[in-house]
Amino acid sequence: EDKVVQSPLSLVVHEGDTVTLNCSYEVTNFRSLLWYKQEKKAPTFLFMLTSSGIEKKSGRLSSILDKKELSSILNITATQTGDSAIYLCAVCPLNSGGSNYKLTFGKGTLLTVNP
Amino acid sequence: ETGVTQSPTHLIKTRGQQVTLRCSSQSGHNTVSWYQQALGQGPQFIFQYYREEENGRGNFPPRFSGLQFPNYSSELNVNALELDDSALYLCASSPGSVRPGYTFGSGTRLTVV
Repeated sequence: EDKVVQSPLSLVVHEGDTVTLNCSYEVTNFRSLLWYKQEKKAPTFLFMLTSSGIEKKSGRLSSILDKKELSSILNITATQTGDSAIYLCAVCPLNSGGSNYKLTFGKGTLLTVNP
Repeated sequence: ETGVTQSPTHLIKTRGQQVTLRCSSQSGHNTVSWYQQALGQGPQFIFQYYREEENGRGNFPPRFSGLQFPNYSSELNVNALELDDSALYLCASSPGSVRPGYTFGSGTRLTVV
């Protein structure tokens, strides 16, 4: 069974700090790893990392996939109060049939950024 | 606005009752997946529908069932509600064979008392 473990489970920082969130996984036939931000209800997509795209960056957020260590990190630099949210990591296996995208999520990291 | 609409937003039901949750997928998306997110947990995959047929199921009992309609909207039905069914139910749509970059709806918060 696929498994995702995120650490830390919660983190409190001050505005301007840099944070690193961790995600380790076990999955049969890896397809991709995804990061989501969940503020109130709907998780919003941040990044998708695959064997052919192991590093992604968008503004102050960046993510790296380490296929050897079966892990990923999400970095946020110069944090702002608006970054306060739950950050979810998920893995997607490669299944036959093309459209069977079952994501296995970790429990998430609750990030609180204080002013 | 996410493009995926779920209704209702909140619901309170009594143990043993049945509930139907609804999801309208984003335009052009033919695949709908349902997830259950208990408090303090990550979303857990319930099942997925692709072109009106169930296309994968997680570890949920048969009292969790679903439907997908020709317009790709979907329903999640839960029979014989239990207290542990209290959770946020998320619907996600995707364009099927392109990439698993789901678009999630805002969810339905179900409380079973």
